[in-house]
Amino acid sequence: AQSVTQLGSHVSVSEGALVLLRCNYSSSVPPYLFWYVQYPNQGLQLLLKYTTGATLVKGINGFEAEFKKSETSFHLTKPSAHMSDAAEYFCAVSDARAAGNKLTFGGGTRVLVKP
Amino acid sequence: GAVVSQHPSRVICKSGTSVKIECRSLDFQATTMFWYRQFPKQSLMLMATSNEGSKATYEQGVEKDKFLINHASLTLSTLTVTSAHPEDSSFYICSARDPRLAGKGELFFGEGSRLTVL
Repeated sequence: AQSVTQLGSHVSVSEGALVLLRCNYSSSVPPYLFWYVQYPNQGLQLLLKYTTGATLVKGINGFEAEFKKSETSFHLTKPSAHMSDAAEYFCAVSDARAAGNKLTFGGGTRVLVKP
Repeated sequence: GAVVSQHPSRVICKSGTSVKIECRSLDFQATTMFWYRQFPKQSLMLMATSNEGSKATYEQGVEKDKFLINHASLTLSTLTVTSAHPEDSSFYICSARDPRLAGKGELFFGEGSRLTVL
């Protein structure tokens, strides 16, 4: 079984400040890891993903995440927050070996950006 | 990227009626679609896996007679909430796997459908 834990259900940052969202996963098999963003009353949009290869992954809107197997982590960062980054962020894991691509989501972290 | 569309985006119905939500893959054929439910300020909970041409696979605790799923074609899956009650009010989101990206794990999500049962 797989699970995802996102530390902090709410994060408040000032515009221009670093955004750091924490994600730890549990998986007995090689994982695929994802970060999705959700704006109010909308579906999910993929920010970035780790499948294989380089452990530092760059995504859209200036976000990046680093896969650290030893720490079972996949934290999301952005050097400088923008007002448009205010949204809900979900970390997710799937089994790299399974064809079903079933995603398990973390609890989500709501980001508030202060002017 | 692949596009998944849901309809309707919002629906209000009376208690006891049935509501159908459609999920379409617009530019690819989806052999598998997933239906999620999201309560306010919570994460997504997988309800069922919809497989084209066969019965859906429901997650533990999800009533299959309550939430009917039909995946009659490679581009359309429907979720019907039967005899809806206020506790069924929620945000329902579908997602689909693009077989052209098989092995990459990525799912594409619809815009979501907000159901309110009065």
